[in-house]
Parts: sequence; C-alpha cells; structure tokens
Amino acid sequence: GEEVAQTPKHLVRGEGQKAKLYCAPIKGHSYVFWYQQVLKNEFKFLISFQNENVFDETGMPKERFSAKCLPNSPCSLEIQATKLEDSAVYFCASSLTGATNEKLFFGSGTQLSVL
Amino acid sequence: QKEVEQDPGPLSVPEGAIVSLNCTYSNSAFQYFMWYRQYSRKGPELLMYTYSSGNKEDGRFTAQVDKSSKYISLFIRDSQPSDSATYLCAMRVYSSASKIIFGSGTRLSIRP
Repeated sequence: GEEVAQTPKHLVRGEGQKAKLYCAPIKGHSYVFWYQQVLKNEFKFLISFQNENVFDETGMPKERFSAKCLPNSPCSLEIQATKLEDSAVYFCASSLTGATNEKLFFGSGTQLSVL
Repeated sequence: QKEVEQDPGPLSVPEGAIVSLNCTYSNSAFQYFMWYRQYSRKGPELLMYTYSSGNKEDGRFTAQVDKSSKYISLFIRDSQPSDSATYLCAMRVYSSASKIIFGSGTRLSIRP
C-alpha cells in the first residue's frame, strides 16, 4: 500500500491482559520502526527491523514486550501482561532503505488503553 | 538528562506572527536534524531536515542548526491557523537505519 497501515486504531485491555498491535509498512519498504508516545509527547524508540530481522532493539523493555516482522505478514508488537504504564499511542514507521537521510513514513498509531 | 530537550509549550500566537521553536541536544554524534509536524490523532510527518550547521529555507519555514551550541530552531513566517499542531524536533546519528531521537514536542496554536 501507499501508506503505513496500523490496526487496530484503539485497543482497550484490562491490566494483565495481552495486547497485540499490527503494522503493514508501505510496500517495498525494508525498514520498520516502532515508537511509543506517552501523554501525547515523549516519543520513545522501541525497536527497528530490516525486513524480518531485528536491527535495533535497544528501546524494547526486556520483559513483556516482543515484536516480529515475518514475510508476507504485517509486523506485530505484542505486550504480555499489560500494565497501566503501557497506556500510550504506539506508532509504526517504515522507510525504503535505512539511509540516514531517508524519510520515515508514520502510520496513524494504535491507542492502547490499559484499565 | 534527556538527549534532546524541547519546551512543551503550549505556545499561542496570533495569525501572521513569526514563530520560533527550539531544541537543545547533548549528543555530539547527532548529524542529521529534522522537524516533524504532528496533527491530533495522526502520525508525525517530516517537515524539514538538514545535515549541517546553518540555515535551510523552504517556503515559510526556516530550519537553523548551530552544532557548536548544540541548538536547533524552526522559524515559521506568516503563521496560519493551519500551522496549529505539535512540532517535534528529531535527530539521528549518521549511520544506516539509526533510530530517530525525538524531542517531547511543542504544542503550537495560531489564533485567527
């Protein structure tokens, strides 16, 4: 597609439940990035992929968070046993190559609310 | 200390005013500087980028980088109500697929 598609737009989970978010990058883009935006500010890098390979996971919480980008499937970000502090908007972005001057295209985000 | 500091605002100015948005950073490895604009309930979109110290102009927007002071600015001339959004500064080190580090964003409102 011509835009980064994130689903669902909104996700509500009770504390302790699992949450799974999906991202379809723009067709042909090799790099995918996940960011967490808390309180409408504070963009925090989580993880990036080069095709199906993890490129940089320095921002991923060690426990409970995992992510995958498998061939011919949307990328996914999964949070096991959600906590109140996981409430945020999760943005996915993709780029054609990994070049520093490459523009990142962002999706509209998934609003996760943990109650 | 955060790698990138940005005043969250909110900033409210009348239509037609010149707007100045600023960020400071601490990591001297940052080589690529960007400004993103984010409208409510949308992902950020790239507005301007620059590699080097100095000014870069695009229409009503001017991006300024001072690497010696680790300070970047975005100026908006003849501001319009449609410029009302959150503006995020962002930066990357110069390497393949490096993560973008964002500032916390400044919420800007242009009053008609």
